[in-house]
Parts: sequence; C-alpha cells; structure tokens
Amino acid sequence: DAGVIQSPRHEVTEMGQEVTLRCKPISGHDYLFWYRQTMMRGLELLIYFNNNVPIDDSGMPEDRFSAKMPNASFSTLKIQPSEPRDSAVYFCASSLNNDYEQYFGPGTRLTVT
Amino acid sequence: GDSVTQMEGPVTLSEEAFLTINCTYTATGYPSLFWYVQYPGEGLQLLLKATKADDKGSNKGFEATYRKETTSFHLEKGSVQVSDSAVYFCALSNTGFQKLVFGTGTRLLVSP
Repeated sequence: DAGVIQSPRHEVTEMGQEVTLRCKPISGHDYLFWYRQTMMRGLELLIYFNNNVPIDDSGMPEDRFSAKMPNASFSTLKIQPSEPRDSAVYFCASSLNNDYEQYFGPGTRLTVT
Repeated sequence: GDSVTQMEGPVTLSEEAFLTINCTYTATGYPSLFWYVQYPGEGLQLLLKATKADDKGSNKGFEATYRKETTSFHLEKGSVQVSDSAVYFCALSNTGFQKLVFGTGTRLLVSP
C-alpha cells in the first residue's frame, strides 16, 4: 500500500495568496483527519471526515480555512487568503472505522512570506 | 474534557541508556492509549498501543503498560540507540470517538 499521500511536500507563497493542500487517504479507510503542527502550538486537529462528511471542524482556526472531501480518495485543505501565521506543517491522516490507529502522511510544509 | 500530559523535553541520553518518558491522562470511560513517534521530516507513525487496563504494548524494544489506577502509560526502552532520536507523542482515543487526543510531544536525543 502506498500509504497516505500528500501534495505538495513544500509550498512557499506570499501573503494574500490562495493555498490548496491535497491528500489521498489509504484505500478503504473511512476516516480522514487534517492536522497542523507548529513549534508554538504543537499538533492541532483541524477537522475530520467520516465517509466524506465533515464530523468535527471545531479546530479550524477561522473562515479563511476550508476543507472538502468530494470522494473517498481525495481531500483538500484550502487557505484563502493566506497569512504568515499560517506557516506550519500540515498533516493528513486516515483510519479505518473501529480501528483507532491513524496513518499519517509525510506532511506539507507551508511557508507564507 | 479528555487530555494527555507528557514530560517536557528534550530528553538527552547516551547510547545504551535506559529510557523513560512519562505520560498521564485524564479521560472518562475506558480509553485506548497510544505512543506515536515522529522522525525528523516525517509524519507520525504508531509505535505501540494498549486498549485496556494492564495491557502492555510493545514494539522495537519499546514498552508501555496501561495503568488505570495511576492513569499512566509511560514509555520505556532498556537500551536506546542513536536511531531512536525522534519526537514521541502519547495519545488517547475514547470509546466511540475516532479522533485522538495528543500530548505535546517529547523530543529524545541520543548521542553516540
């Protein structure tokens, strides 16, 4: 199995630009999670989906952030407009119902200048 | 709400030293407990888990025992290697909830 796939691995953008991060979960997994990791705040859960439906988005920092899961094999996290404080590593993870182990992707390192 | 508390790092050890990283939790019900490891530049990966009281999870020489009476899940390894240098996260998931609650992570640095 290829594992969780994220793209791009690195993204550098200017403040005010739109950023889209992409994730392909492990085939057959029905949960998908988006996390953000920074030195200051550690690992934060932003949102998670079950069977493509958002279940809990209470961690999404503000309206500039949005996430979608149009089908079982693809999800996006969009930031519009981006700000320097959004600079972080964003991880996607997936899991199987009733198996609490989450499988993490390699992350996308976002730098907003 | 549910929470996980880990010892602050970094933990600095020489190769072949004994490792303990403390983890305590607060949760209602009967959570499952996990240790994840993050190597530099990578995502987190599951190291070991325990799903009920007195269970011992083990993997790659690491062990942790689910202690309900002390609400703890301390990570131990008898002899660390330089390749064990990483950040270790303790986490829990509560019954019926698929999401994980993570601790803040503990960085381990092992020198030759």
